[in-house]
Amino acid sequence: DQQVKQNSPSLSVQEGRISILNCDYTNSMFDYFLWYKKYPAEGPTFLISISSIKDKNEDGRFTVFLNKSAKHLSLHIVPSQPGDSAVYFCAASREIIQGAQKLVFGQGTRLTINP
Amino acid sequence: EAQVTQNPRYLITVTGKKLTVTCSQNMNHEYMSWYRQDPGLGLRQIYYSMNVEATDKGDVPEGYKVSRKEKRNFPLILESPSPNQTSLYFCASSVAGQGYEQYFGPGTRLTVT
Repeated sequence: DQQVKQNSPSLSVQEGRISILNCDYTNSMFDYFLWYKKYPAEGPTFLISISSIKDKNEDGRFTVFLNKSAKHLSLHIVPSQPGDSAVYFCAASREIIQGAQKLVFGQGTRLTINP
Repeated sequence: EAQVTQNPRYLITVTGKKLTVTCSQNMNHEYMSWYRQDPGLGLRQIYYSMNVEATDKGDVPEGYKVSRKEKRNFPLILESPSPNQTSLYFCASSVAGQGYEQYFGPGTRLTVT
């Protein structure tokens, strides 16, 4: 049972345009959402996060939107740059016991930014 | 430099030959975790540890063991590897508590023949 889904395995965007990556989740117990970025031969690195009490969080060119009623979040990158080409993982978190969070990851979306 | 290190980075082994993948972090994090990444499945949690001598199963623990004798180290042990454990493995650490980002190691690509 895939609790976090990224339905687009790949996305290709022109440099300078907006990239929109989508993620859906099924478990309403998730209360924190994160995006990770992964380059080849490296581990994932944290990009941006959002608490379930918010519907938007912005950090420079990156904005994450959360729609709790639809159980949907999206990552917007504006403007897209060639260095943004990577695999992006959406992750949802819930606290299982105090001090321990469980992160559930989506399948990932490979973003390619074309010059 | 704050980091999570894993060794080895690449390993080819045969079915049934016990192996250990080491993981170490220098950030004094309480929480550590192991994931495997497989095509089309994303990252799935194998085991996690909240602190020294406190470990628990994740979503796919079968065939794996872990230990946490020191805060900085969290080795992953495959007692009798099988081909279905061929995967890319990541160790991660974070401050304990909800919402803290996890720091990932560079990954270990394991092939079991």
